Amino acid sequence: GQQVMQIPQYQHVQEGEDFTTYCNSSTTLSNIQWYKQRPGGHPVFLIQLVKSGEVKKQKRLTFQFGEAKKNSSLHITATQTTDVGTYFCAGPNAGNMLTFGGGTRLMVKP
Amino acid sequence: EAGVAQSPRYKIIEKRQSVAFWCNPISGHATLYWYQQILGQGPKLLIQFQNNGVVDDSQLPKDRFSAERLKGVDSTLKIQPAKLEDSAVYLCASSLDTGFSTDTQYFGPGTRLTVL
Repeated sequence: GQQVMQIPQYQHVQEGEDFTTYCNSSTTLSNIQWYKQRPGGHPVFLIQLVKSGEVKKQKRLTFQFGEAKKNSSLHITATQTTDVGTYFCAGPNAGNMLTFGGGTRLMVKP
Repeated sequence: EAGVAQSPRYKIIEKRQSVAFWCNPISGHATLYWYQQILGQGPKLLIQFQNNGVVDDSQLPKDRFSAERLKGVDSTLKIQPAKLEDSAVYLCASSLDTGFSTDTQYFGPGTRLTVL
């Protein structure tokens, strides 16, 4: 079945440093979604990418969808302590149900 | 707009006992999802309803898990009997439209289940 992998699993950064998480799917995706889950919280939708090579920005967050629509990345510029949490990518499987990656847990040292 | 409501927020049971979780989706949302999130992992879809019909339950362990959404609004997820490996957070989510993966899903706060 479809697998969605994320790396790294954990990342410690100093506040102000940049952060990137990578997402890879074993199958071509029609779209990819990104969610953020704060410690003790629930996943919150951030963005959806649909087009090959698409790049979207939300303030300090930049999301990319690969040309082959099998990978994606999330880049945060100048991290802040409010960025702490786990970032998940998710893509639809053959049955159009979302499969989540394992997530990247971001920790920011003030 | 009220979010997705879930109860209880926490539940501790012994193995082989039964447990039920309740979810009330955002008003007007046709599609409802139940996910299992084991500590340190991403959410895993258990079952998806559109109105009161099941769209997908391929990952639901049907020998012990059951779910229903009788009137197309609230839903319950039951585990009977529980096993140690069922310890997880059970997340309910809902989306507005067709149930396709492009619909934005809104998650509830989850129920944290501990099986001893």
